[in-house]
Amino acid sequence: KAGVTQTPRYLIKTRGQQVTLSCSPISGHRSVSWYQQTPGQGLQFLFEYFSETQRNKGNFPGRFSGRQFSNSRSEMNVSTLELGDSALYLCASSPFGATPLYYGYTFGSGTRLTVV
Amino acid sequence: DQQVKQNSPSLSVQEGRISILNCDYTNSMFDYFLWYKKYPAEGPTFLISISSIKDKNEDGRFTVFLNKSAKHLSLHIVPSQPGDSAVYFCAATPGGSGNTGKLIFGQGTTLQVKP
Repeated sequence: KAGVTQTPRYLIKTRGQQVTLSCSPISGHRSVSWYQQTPGQGLQFLFEYFSETQRNKGNFPGRFSGRQFSNSRSEMNVSTLELGDSALYLCASSPFGATPLYYGYTFGSGTRLTVV
Repeated sequence: DQQVKQNSPSLSVQEGRISILNCDYTNSMFDYFLWYKKYPAEGPTFLISISSIKDKNEDGRFTVFLNKSAKHLSLHIVPSQPGDSAVYFCAATPGGSGNTGKLIFGQGTTLQVKP
């Protein structure tokens, strides 16, 4: 069974550019969440999508956006990149979006974004 | 405000001994707690979870204890193995439809198990 796939694995962008990251959840999983991991702030929740609808959003500026397609694949976009956006971006999937008591959310390996 | 705290950045134990990783939280509305393990260049891997209505959950070498009155949980690994060396994250979620997909993570504790 394939895991959560994130592409690309590494990305270097220039300040002011925009970037799109992709996440393919485990087959049959309908919920996709995105997280940002930085050394200073740790792992922080960005947003969650279920059946193409954003159901929950963290405390990030509007430059961070996302969407989910009918096949549950998700993309996140960051516009007008800042140096502070350099981070590991992780996505996680679960079947229903309900609290995963027994097996937790399954994370991908992440996309390492470097803004120069 | 940091609602989930792991106050020990690192922990070193000898192979075969017990590893105890601690986590404190401030939000009494959290109803599920999870532990994740993370290796460099990989995403976090789910280890074990516990509901707030329980005080213990066990899965093989891993046991999580929850003390609601103290807002404290701990992960015990017995016996510890060198392959357990990784960063361990405590996470919590309030549950409910308004918090779907959202996990609040601690800062992590780096565990080193020495052969």
